Amino acid sequence: GEDVEQSLFLSVREGDSSVINCTYTDSSSTYLYWYKQEPGAGLQLLTYIFSNMDMKQDQRLTVLLNKKDKHLSLRIADTQTGDSAIYFCAESMGGGYQKVTFGTGTKLQVIP
Amino acid sequence: DTGVSQDPRHKITKRGQNVTFRCDPISEHNRLYWYRQTLGQGPEFLTYFQNEAQLEKSRLLSDRFSAERPKGSFSTLEIQRTEQGDSAMYLCASRPQGAGDTQYFGPGTRLTVL
Repeated sequence: GEDVEQSLFLSVREGDSSVINCTYTDSSSTYLYWYKQEPGAGLQLLTYIFSNMDMKQDQRLTVLLNKKDKHLSLRIADTQTGDSAIYFCAESMGGGYQKVTFGTGTKLQVIP
Repeated sequence: DTGVSQDPRHKITKRGQNVTFRCDPISEHNRLYWYRQTLGQGPEFLTYFQNEAQLEKSRLLSDRFSAERPKGSFSTLEIQRTEQGDSAMYLCASRPQGAGDTQYFGPGTRLTVL
């Protein structure tokens, strides 16, 4: 079955870059997502990438996909205190009903 | 606000009681999902509706759980005879028709079973 793994915690200084990593097992994954969850809030979609892409950039966010190694990363440039949250990697196979499988989340702590 | 809304935001109940949660999706979205998120974990898929039809149910959805979407708009999730292990955040998401469109999540209902 599908499995998505992430490291649990990352601490960075304000202004530095953050890199959050994720590995997944399902080679048929079509879409890979990054969601952000702030305390007490729902999930906010940050960005997603199709499996036929290697990279996607959106303002301060850069997503890199290594399909061979089934490795996904999210780079946040110039990390701000407002970026402190839990970041979830997720995947879906697309088509049909597109069930999304989430990782356990990486808690990002930004130190002022 | 045109996002996904959920009601209530918090629910505290005693073990053995029944609870019902409501989700109002984004109005033009015909697909609706329920997820459960326990502390320290990512959301886990529970069930999916396309319009009023419930097309998929996870094995996590025991016979104490039932979900409906009678008119293809809002949805309800009912848990009967609640157990302490049901304590979690219940998230609803909706998605419009068409491949490649992503799911938009509501703020969730946090259930605490005492």
